[in-house]
Amino acid sequence: AQSVSQHNHHVILSEAASLELGCNYSYGGTVNLFWYVQYPGQHLQLLLKYFSGDPLVKGIKGFEAEFIKSKFSFNLRKPSVQWSDTAEYFCAVKWKTSYDKVIFGPGTSLSVIP
Amino acid sequence: EAGVTQSPTHLIKTRGQQATLRCSPISGHTSVYWYQQALGLGLQFLLWYDEGEERNRGNFPPRFSGRQFPNYSSELNVNALELEDSALYLCASSFFGTSGGETQYFGPGTRLLVL
Repeated sequence: AQSVSQHNHHVILSEAASLELGCNYSYGGTVNLFWYVQYPGQHLQLLLKYFSGDPLVKGIKGFEAEFIKSKFSFNLRKPSVQWSDTAEYFCAVKWKTSYDKVIFGPGTSLSVIP
Repeated sequence: EAGVTQSPTHLIKTRGQQATLRCSPISGHTSVYWYQQALGLGLQFLLWYDEGEERNRGNFPPRFSGRQFPNYSSELNVNALELEDSALYLCASSFFGTSGGETQYFGPGTRLLVL
């Protein structure tokens, strides 16, 4: 069955630290990949997406992600986090082999300490 | 451009009652997805509507149902409410862009509390 996993349930960082959140999906095929963010009290917002082409994609607010097909991974990175990055981060995958739903990972809660 | 809207923002019901949640997609989007976000369980896919038809449903019992109207807005109905139905219900609308992929945009959600 299709599944998406995120490596960390909760991450705590100090401001200016670098961030990497892991995301893996269950098996190959052509995929669309997404990272969404949910700030406290706000709704889910799209951070970035990958459909095809350059595997390194840049999103909003200084975030980027790298698609590594051989590892079925789409890790999210930011070189220097800010207190305002405190949020829940969700990785999501849509397999294009079937006209089907997007599957979300369980989420990673990021707390940034000033 | 207006985003995805959902109503009501909060809903309190008692066990056994029915709940109706509503969603209006972004203008031009024909697909609507419903998700349940229960505490600690992430987003669980509920239903997908496109062009007025149900295209897929997640692993939820039949008492979760819905429909999509000709203007692409959608309704989620939950019958015979149970305590564990308490959750945030998210609606997303989507479109297929010129890059060949589909992007979902989310509404603020309806928080359902079943007492």
